[in-house]
Amino acid sequence: DAGVIQSPRHEVTEMGQEVTLRCKPISGHNSLFWYRQTMMRGLELLIYFNNNVPIDDSGMPEDRFSAKMPNASFSTLKIQPSEPRDSAVYFCASSFSRPRNSPLHFGNGTRLTVT
Amino acid sequence: AQKITQTQPGMFVQEKEAVTLDCTYDTSDPSYGLFWYKQPSSGEMIFLIYQGSYDQQNATEGRYSLNFQKARKSANLVISASQLGDSAMYFCAMREGLNTGNQFYFGTGTSLTVIP
Repeated sequence: DAGVIQSPRHEVTEMGQEVTLRCKPISGHNSLFWYRQTMMRGLELLIYFNNNVPIDDSGMPEDRFSAKMPNASFSTLKIQPSEPRDSAVYFCASSFSRPRNSPLHFGNGTRLTVT
Repeated sequence: AQKITQTQPGMFVQEKEAVTLDCTYDTSDPSYGLFWYKQPSSGEMIFLIYQGSYDQQNATEGRYSLNFQKARKSANLVISASQLGDSAMYFCAMREGLNTGNQFYFGTGTSLTVIP
């Protein structure tokens, strides 16, 4: 079975540029999560979707960040404009919303560097 | 209040010894699940083990076991016969069953180093 697929694996961009991170969840999973991981802040939940609907985006740092899930098999996280402090590893993860013992499956992450 | 607390930023263990990684949680939901993940230096997040709030027995998966003490709200991960490949970050997480939001809460992690 294919796991959660994220692209690109690495992204280096200049400050002010738009960055789009992509995610394909595991087929059949109806919950999708975007996390950001840094040394300083650890693992932070940015936003999550149930059945393609955004449920909680309170973790999105500011209006420069936006996320969409147009269908059950695809999601994007966009940063526009990007800033050096956005440099981090961004993880996408998916799960079944029920039962409660369904684990979260993570993609391999996108390492973003903003110079 | 933090939902998940991991108080050990770093731990060391001798190869072939057992080690316990601590995790306490906070919830008023009677139905919840607890998860442990491993993140090696390569960066991927690997699901290790699950414990449900109604499970009568402690969960086990190979060399991993969970010391679940419900009254104390603790779910410590025990790794037996440590191997060099166990060196990694370990994260404890919780999902509340009745919470329709379906969110997973993660701790700050414990860095485990296995010494040869």
